[in-house]
Amino acid sequence: KAGVTQTPRYLIKTRGQQVTLSCSPISGHRSVSWYQQTPGQGLQFLFEYFSETQRNKGNFPGRFSGRQFSNSRSEMNVSTLELGDSALYLCASSRDSNQPQHFGDGTRLSIL
Amino acid sequence: GEDVEQSLFLSVREGDSSVINCTYTDSSSTYLYWYKQEPGAGLQLLTYIFSNMDMKQDQRLTVLLNKKDKHLSLRIADTQTGDSAIYFCAEGNNYGQNFVFGPGTRLSVLP
Repeated sequence: KAGVTQTPRYLIKTRGQQVTLSCSPISGHRSVSWYQQTPGQGLQFLFEYFSETQRNKGNFPGRFSGRQFSNSRSEMNVSTLELGDSALYLCASSRDSNQPQHFGDGTRLSIL
Repeated sequence: GEDVEQSLFLSVREGDSSVINCTYTDSSSTYLYWYKQEPGAGLQLLTYIFSNMDMKQDQRLTVLLNKKDKHLSLRIADTQTGDSAIYFCAEGNNYGQNFVFGPGTRLSVLP
């Protein structure tokens, strides 16, 4: 069974640009969550989508947005990139709220 | 708000047991998880325990939960060099997948 797939694995952008990250969940999983991981702040929850609806949201500015498609695949968008957005962005999927989350290997975003 | 705490570093000798500790604050936590992260990789789910349990064993891994003290521990028996990684404790509940992670414990296994 394929795991959670995130693309691309690495990305380099400059300040002010925007970026879209993609996540394909495990087949049958309808919940997709996104996290930002940095050395200073650790793992921080961005948002969770379930059946194409955002169900939970962390404490991030509106530059961070996401969506989920009917096949449960999800995208995360960050606009007007800042140096502080450099991080590992992790996606996790689960069948539903009361099920464990399984993580992808992440997209490492570097802002120059 | 919710908070999860862990010690940041642990060193053990190969073949010894490792015990990684975690404390949490959210009494409504339904599930408590242990994840492992190796360099350059995402988080690998190791094991999890429901809040109505006090122990779970899975091969070399033993999870102990003291719900009264909101304390969770992960014991790794016969620790190997391949166990060197960062271990994250996380809490979750039925009210959406808003997991709260601890800062991670970096386990170093010395030969």
